[in-house]
Amino acid sequence: NAGVTQTPKFQVLKTGQSMTLQCAQDMNHNSMYWYRQDPGMGLRLIYYSASEGTTDKGEVPNGYNVSRLNKREFSLRLESAAPSQTSVYFCASSESPGDGYEQYFGPGTRLTVT
Amino acid sequence: AQTVTQSQPEMSVQEAETVTLSCTYDTSESDYYLFWYKQPPSRQMILVIRQEAYKQQNATENRFSVNFQKAAKSFSLKISDSQLGDAAMYFCALVEYGNKLVFGAGTILRVKS
Repeated sequence: NAGVTQTPKFQVLKTGQSMTLQCAQDMNHNSMYWYRQDPGMGLRLIYYSASEGTTDKGEVPNGYNVSRLNKREFSLRLESAAPSQTSVYFCASSESPGDGYEQYFGPGTRLTVT
Repeated sequence: AQTVTQSQPEMSVQEAETVTLSCTYDTSESDYYLFWYKQPPSRQMILVIRQEAYKQQNATENRFSVNFQKAAKSFSLKISDSQLGDAAMYFCALVEYGNKLVFGAGTILRVKS
């Protein structure tokens, strides 16, 4: 099992450019999440998908869109990148939202917007 | 709203000694879960230990144990016999039933040889 995979691992964008971060899990989990990690702020939830076909906003959704393509895949799109979106992005999955189920994390994507 | 506070930005411990990382939280629920995650320099997030709020017994995983004080809303992590491989960022996290995971800001643990 690969667990949770993310592509790319690193990306540099210019302000205004767009890109999509890809995430896939092979654990047959129902729920998937996107977080961003910034120094001194821990991980903050951007969007999540409790189950296939549903998505919902987290704490910091502005400037992002998501697509739950199928049960395995959950992508995060930046339509017009801004320097404030420079961060490390993590995808995670779990059997279900809450309920104490462990979230399994991908290796992260370091994104720099210049 | 649920919040998690880690008041120690950085801690140091000598190899083979014991260190305790602090975490306090706020929630209006009585049913919730608490976690400690470890993030080494590789960036990979690794679950260290999990505590269910309705269980009074403190969780233990090998050299890692917690001191869960529900009334005080405190959830500290004790690492015994510290090893160089324990050096990492440690995050405390809380999830209420049916809700999302909320993380603290993290504590950097340095292990000295």
